[in-house]
Amino acid sequence: GQQLNQSPQSMFIQEGEDVSMNCTSSSIFNTWLWYKQEPGEGPVLLIALYKAGELTSNGRLTAQFGITRKDSFLNISASIPSDVGIYFCAGQRATSGTYKYIFGTGTRLKVLA
Amino acid sequence: GAGVSQSPRYKVAKRGQDVALRCDPISGHVSLFWYQQALGQGPEFLTYFQNEAQLDKSGLPSDRFFAERPEGSVSTLKIQRTQQEDSAVYLCASSTGTGAYEQYFGPGTRLTVT
Repeated sequence: GQQLNQSPQSMFIQEGEDVSMNCTSSSIFNTWLWYKQEPGEGPVLLIALYKAGELTSNGRLTAQFGITRKDSFLNISASIPSDVGIYFCAGQRATSGTYKYIFGTGTRLKVLA
Repeated sequence: GAGVSQSPRYKVAKRGQDVALRCDPISGHVSLFWYQQALGQGPEFLTYFQNEAQLDKSGLPSDRFFAERPEGSVSTLKIQRTQQEDSAVYLCASSTGTGAYEQYFGPGTRLTVT
């Protein structure tokens, strides 16, 4: 099935460091969602983006809707051990008509205390 | 309840058995989605309901997969004659409206076909 490209695939960082990850597509999207998933749980919504260029924050998390509408970015500032998990982007196409979301391949984050 | 619930959380089926997975969306949510998540992958779309109408079933992998939402609330995903490749986590999500709305996920049902 179709999935969006996320990078990096995985990263180990020290506690307190900032983290950046991105999601890219060859198609235009009109909505981007960012999720975090921990083992054995469903994805938890972190941030929703609805307009090209939009920058939205949720605590230490900041996400941006790329101006080309083909990408999105997530930053985590001052990471802490509980940030460990898999982060997924999800995009909804402008022409989908069915409102389904296409998910990225995920970025696995591990924080070293 | 406050969130999306799914049952059972875990299901083990022998190859060839039929299974039924249940989703209770957030109360009042119009849209309901089913996704399949293979190990190490992101969720992949299966089907979408707007109230009781199934508007998109393009992601269902075969005619062994069937979903319904007869009263526009609870939904059931049924898999007939299960195969080993059906082993995955099945996630349900709901959203308040139609269109560009946030989706909220349940905990998923982990299906293992032996």
